Amino acid sequence: AQSVSQHNHHVILSEAASLELGCNYSYGGTVNLFWYVQYPGQHLQLLLKYFSGDPLVKGIKGFEAEFIKSKFSFNLRKPSVQWSDTAEYFCAVNANPGGYQKVTFGTGTKLQVIP
Amino acid sequence: DVKVTQSSRYLVKRTGEKVFLECVQDMDHENMFWYRQDPGLGLRLIYFSYDVKMKEKGDIPEGYSVSREKKERFSLILESASTNQTSMYLCASSSDRAFGNTEAFFGQGTRLTVV
Repeated sequence: AQSVSQHNHHVILSEAASLELGCNYSYGGTVNLFWYVQYPGQHLQLLLKYFSGDPLVKGIKGFEAEFIKSKFSFNLRKPSVQWSDTAEYFCAVNANPGGYQKVTFGTGTKLQVIP
Repeated sequence: DVKVTQSSRYLVKRTGEKVFLECVQDMDHENMFWYRQDPGLGLRLIYFSYDVKMKEKGDIPEGYSVSREKKERFSLILESASTNQTSMYLCASSSDRAFGNTEAFFGQGTRLTVV
């Protein structure tokens, strides 16, 4: 069964610091990869996704993620965080793109940005 | 603006009660999902439905059932609520059966407390 690991459970950063959140998955074949974000009091929403092509994916609000197949990783990055980035971030993986396979979520990383 | 609406933001129920959580989407999606979200465990799939009157078990279906009588509405039922079902419940819908090939749209969640 596929699994998704987010090693950082809680990250605290000052504004303008750079961010990198780790995501590793266990499936060896083709995957579709997602980052979802949940701002305080709001619904979970898609931040970015990777299906194929350029492994460096850009999403909303200045976020990007890089798919490194050899490392089974899809880390989320932002060069300079803002207080408004305070949220919980979830990595998700679909290990059978085009087919019928449920999406598996990681356990989430809570990001707290201090002004 | 697409919407997934959950009928209650907060619910408090007593042990043994039958509990209904309602979810409505306005995107004409065939596929709807119920997750529970717990700290440190991420999102875990309870049930999903890919058509009216169709349902399939997710990873943690025990103690739950679902109903999909109309395309836009997907209900989660706790037959006899227990304290270990205290959690945040998220409803989602997607145009894709497993939303692994596209994004899912989430409701704001229902925080259920069973006392």
